[in-house]
Amino acid sequence: DQQVKQNSPSLSVQEGRISILNCDYTNSMFDYFLWYKKYPAEGPTFLISISSIKDKNEDGRFTVFLNKSAKHLSLHIVPSQPGDSAVYFCAASARYAGGTSYGKLTFGQGTILTVHP
Amino acid sequence: KAGVTQTPRYLIKTRGQQVTLSCSPISGHRSVSWYQQTPGQGLQFLFEYFSETQRNKGNFPGRFSGRQFSNSRSEMNVSTLELGDSALYLCASSLDPTSEYAQYFGPGTRLTVL
Repeated sequence: DQQVKQNSPSLSVQEGRISILNCDYTNSMFDYFLWYKKYPAEGPTFLISISSIKDKNEDGRFTVFLNKSAKHLSLHIVPSQPGDSAVYFCAASARYAGGTSYGKLTFGQGTILTVHP
Repeated sequence: KAGVTQTPRYLIKTRGQQVTLSCSPISGHRSVSWYQQTPGQGLQFLFEYFSETQRNKGNFPGRFSGRQFSNSRSEMNVSTLELGDSALYLCASSLDPTSEYAQYFGPGTRLTVL
């Protein structure tokens, strides 16, 4: 039962253009969503997050959009740079569900982003 | 502030052995979560500790255990290692996972079971 899905295994964009990474979830208890960037053999690096009470959060070149009715979120990177090439993970948390939700992030399978110079 | 540190970075063990991995969280963080990353299953939650108490455990066999010390440092132990336990083990720390605080990950321990 995959509660967080990233349906695109890979995405290729040109430097300077927009990268849009998508994520869908099924668990309506999720109320906090995060994006991480990961290089091979390293731990994930936190990029940006959004609470379910918001529909947009922006931090520099990164913007996350949340559509609760569609259970969908997306990460926009503008402009894309070659250094952004990595695996991007979407993660979700049910912070107030108690019990089996404490400290647990549920991750998608990741999307490999390649930004070409 | 120093980030999350994990030791050792690499381990090679044989089937049947046991292993202990260590994690030091960011200073002031009291919550430590552990995850296993494999190519087939992705990132899977193992357990979470807060103030020395395990508050949550993922769907892993009892061979996987952990603990947290009073200084918030955490260890996880895997007994009777199996080939399928080969993975990248990641720990993450957070100020308060019930609020709008992200989890910050360490570099991971790469465990290879032969």
